[in-house]
Amino acid sequence: EDQVTQSPEALRLQEGESSSLNCSYTVSGLRGLFWYRQDPGKGPEFLFTLYSAGEEKEKERLKATLTKKESFLHITAPKPEDSATYLCAVQATNKFYFGSGTKLNVKP
Amino acid sequence: SQTIHQWPATLVQPVGSPLSLECTVEGTSNPNLYWYRQAAGRGLQLLFYSVGIGQISSEVPQNLSASRPQDRQFILSSKKLLLSDSGFYLCAWSPPNRDQPQHFGDGTRLSIL
Repeated sequence: EDQVTQSPEALRLQEGESSSLNCSYTVSGLRGLFWYRQDPGKGPEFLFTLYSAGEEKEKERLKATLTKKESFLHITAPKPEDSATYLCAVQATNKFYFGSGTKLNVKP
Repeated sequence: SQTIHQWPATLVQPVGSPLSLECTVEGTSNPNLYWYRQAAGRGLQLLFYSVGIGQISSEVPQNLSASRPQDRQFILSSKKLLLSDSGFYLCAWSPPNRDQPQHFGDGTRLSIL
């Protein structure tokens, strides 16, 4: 069964305290893995696409990496404005499978 | 650039009333279109997706239906709402080519009383 699992469910960090979010997946015929940021009451905002194991993408304090079974979203020296829910999704054929997200809270 | 519009932003409806949520995309042709529902603290549940006009695939049998009357218009409907239909509904589009990310509207918060 195709499945996407994110951990932890919630993460509290102090400003400047780096950490990583995990997304593990079991899908047949992976065509892409996507990271999104979702603010309360808003739709998810696209961050990164990863297509193959070993690939990395960076944007400001965020860096996404991909292996054959999981992806990590590394947050370096986070700021309070990085507080949001981060969603991972994988694509197989025309379908997208989403994890339930990691709610990140960065305290000043 | 491409934009996606979804309305209304919030909606309060009585049990048994009909529903119509609309989503339109601008700046692209023949997009793939999707309707999702997101329960509080949960992931996104795919409800319907469409790869072209009049082509609708249903993922979860339930009280809802979808239609795509025009290339960039996607409508979510119900004839009689249930309490369990409450939630946050999101419309998304992706380019017709494969392996591209989805882009989301700002959602509709639906409350059933």
